Amino acid sequence: SQQGEEDPQALSIQEGENATMNCSYKTSINNLQWYRQNSGRGLVHLILIRSNEREKHSGRLRVTLDTSKKSSSLLITASRAADTASYFCATDEGSARQLTFGSGTQLTVLP
Amino acid sequence: NAGVTQTPKFQVLKTGQSMTLQCAQDMNHNSMYWYRQDPGMGLRLIYYSASEGTTDKGEVPNGYNVSRLNKREFSLRLESAAPSQTSVYFCASSGGLAIDDEQFFGPGTRLTVL
Repeated sequence: SQQGEEDPQALSIQEGENATMNCSYKTSINNLQWYRQNSGRGLVHLILIRSNEREKHSGRLRVTLDTSKKSSSLLITASRAADTASYFCATDEGSARQLTFGSGTQLTVLP
Repeated sequence: NAGVTQTPKFQVLKTGQSMTLQCAQDMNHNSMYWYRQDPGMGLRLIYYSASEGTTDKGEVPNGYNVSRLNKREFSLRLESAAPSQTSVYFCASSGGLAIDDEQFFGPGTRLTVL
């Protein structure tokens, strides 16, 4: 079962613009993580936000979490061509020691 | 530090053949994981090992077995490969015992079963 679902599935923007990706989930969570995957590579952890946090920043990344709506968003500001990748949200499932990944958003940043 | 390494990078099998995917990490992590990623989808957990000597099933364990050989190594075995197991397989590790620990991923093994 997929807990997190990203929206949109694909996003194409110009360099310098901001990119926003959304993630929705179904059950209660303790935390939500965002990962990035370059084509043909493994995933790289970007940021984690806990259920008692509403917003978190890391460099050009801003993550928000709305537990009442069971949704999160990842904002990448001043995007670069090197940001082109797939972005996945991942949620824990309470007591189960498992991360459940969404199907991802494919971001293309055009130079 | 090599991080998480996986071998082989690519493999083609015929239906019914067996093989073992190898994974090793040099970060002294307690927990290790095996995922599969199908086209256009996120990762699905096959098996994980919270600590040396323990293994547990994930979301899609059928058709697979695992061995946590020691703290560094975690292997995934396909006893009788099926076309439905064509996928990209990722190994990951994390340092602590908490599920919210950051996971570090290997580069993946692309497996095709004919």
